[in-house]
Amino acid sequence: DTEVTQTPKHLVMGMTNKKSLKCEQHMGHRAMYWYKQKAKKPPELMFVYSYEKLSINESVPSRFSPECPNSSLLNLHLHALQPEDSALYLCASSQFGSGGSTDTQYFGPGTRLTVL
Amino acid sequence: GQNIDQPTEMTATEGAIVQINCTYQTSGFNGLFWYQQHAGEAPTFLSYNVLDGLEEKGRFSSFLSRSKGYSYLLLKELQMKDSASYLCAVRLRDNYGQNFVFGPGTRLSVLP
Repeated sequence: DTEVTQTPKHLVMGMTNKKSLKCEQHMGHRAMYWYKQKAKKPPELMFVYSYEKLSINESVPSRFSPECPNSSLLNLHLHALQPEDSALYLCASSQFGSGGSTDTQYFGPGTRLTVL
Repeated sequence: GQNIDQPTEMTATEGAIVQINCTYQTSGFNGLFWYQQHAGEAPTFLSYNVLDGLEEKGRFSSFLSRSKGYSYLLLKELQMKDSASYLCAVRLRDNYGQNFVFGPGTRLSVLP
């Protein structure tokens, strides 16, 4: 099973709302990622969790708050977002190793977020 | 900073061969990945290189030259379903080994 699932598929929220995006994988991967992707642009790395600890935070505004409750789950909590935060949010996972083809990332289908 | 370059768009004919180039200048290198992404969908893994040379997987091949900071993805016997964006991504060598930087992507259109 090489599946990463994400919920919800679509989300529309106002600038004062609080919402959460969820990601789940059952491949035993120990690295999980959040990416933001705008239309016709490549994915931009936001956060990386390695063994449930935040290892990379690419200077993301504090209105995005990641959480990794266990090795299979990854959340992204959203609060006071701006319209320019509207994008496709992708979750990915990979085995955590010293480097190799097995460290490829598997992406979920994404959550399309619209901020009004 | 990190810099990865790819052509923005390419067009090819069904049944033909197309080569998509990727050049990179990054602070450390620990592997190069190619992904395919159809519009509105998630990227899917195609190929991986960490040593110089050619890796072949069916209709897809990828080549790497680390000294030149250069890779290409070769697609043979093109099919209409190959119309998609192709993303080159470099994994950086850092303490965690999990930092990926993506190139801008190449939008490939396959015409009948």
